[in-house]
Amino acid sequence: EAQVTQNPRYLITVTGKKLTVTCSQNMNHEYMSWYRQDPGLGLRQIYYSMNVEVTDKGDVPEGYKVSRKEKRNFPLILESPSPNQTSLYFCASSLVGRARRNEQFFGPGTRLTVL
Amino acid sequence: AQTVTQSQPEMSVQEAETVTLSCTYDTSENNYYLFWYKQPPSRQMILVIRQEAYKQQNATENRFSVNFQKAAKSFSLKISDSQLGDTAMYFCASLSNFGNEKLTFGTGTRLTIIP
Repeated sequence: EAQVTQNPRYLITVTGKKLTVTCSQNMNHEYMSWYRQDPGLGLRQIYYSMNVEVTDKGDVPEGYKVSRKEKRNFPLILESPSPNQTSLYFCASSLVGRARRNEQFFGPGTRLTVL
Repeated sequence: AQTVTQSQPEMSVQEAETVTLSCTYDTSENNYYLFWYKQPPSRQMILVIRQEAYKQQNATENRFSVNFQKAAKSFSLKISDSQLGDTAMYFCASLSNFGNEKLTFGTGTRLTIIP
């Protein structure tokens, strides 16, 4: 089954404790991205990757890191989480270029609470 | 930069009725893509319908259709014969044909179908 998986689905942590949210896709997509969803703000892009070893900042990158060592994985790293990073996080993937159908496939979301 | 505006934070409608969700956007590009995503209580992001800006014909998917007015930069979603399962948050989004493949989302409309 074609899908984007995220782990964990729920996480409660404390300020300053490093954490990683994993994202994996099995569709051989070049493009992967992280969004955060906050009430009244919709979804905003954090970081994206056009291919392996190619990453760049989105609209709200402060406090986050990413890496793209393999095509299928795109982990989101919070080195020192703070309460303002409490949010719902989505990973998404898609094809790029003419092969794409312009549809981004989303993971199930990760609910993060930073105390 | 693209912006997307959804001016209806909440709507409700009786089951079997028709409802229209509004969306306006702003872009300087000639070619782009527009989407409506549904987010039910499960939080999964589900693509409802897509529209390519260079296609004048309005997209339809079963009970879902759009009214795409390119000159007015308007992209409304019509749900016909609404069902209880349509209860969800609906996000309008735009995708540039160039650059970082970023989806720019509106703030969402929470739709409740009343039995």
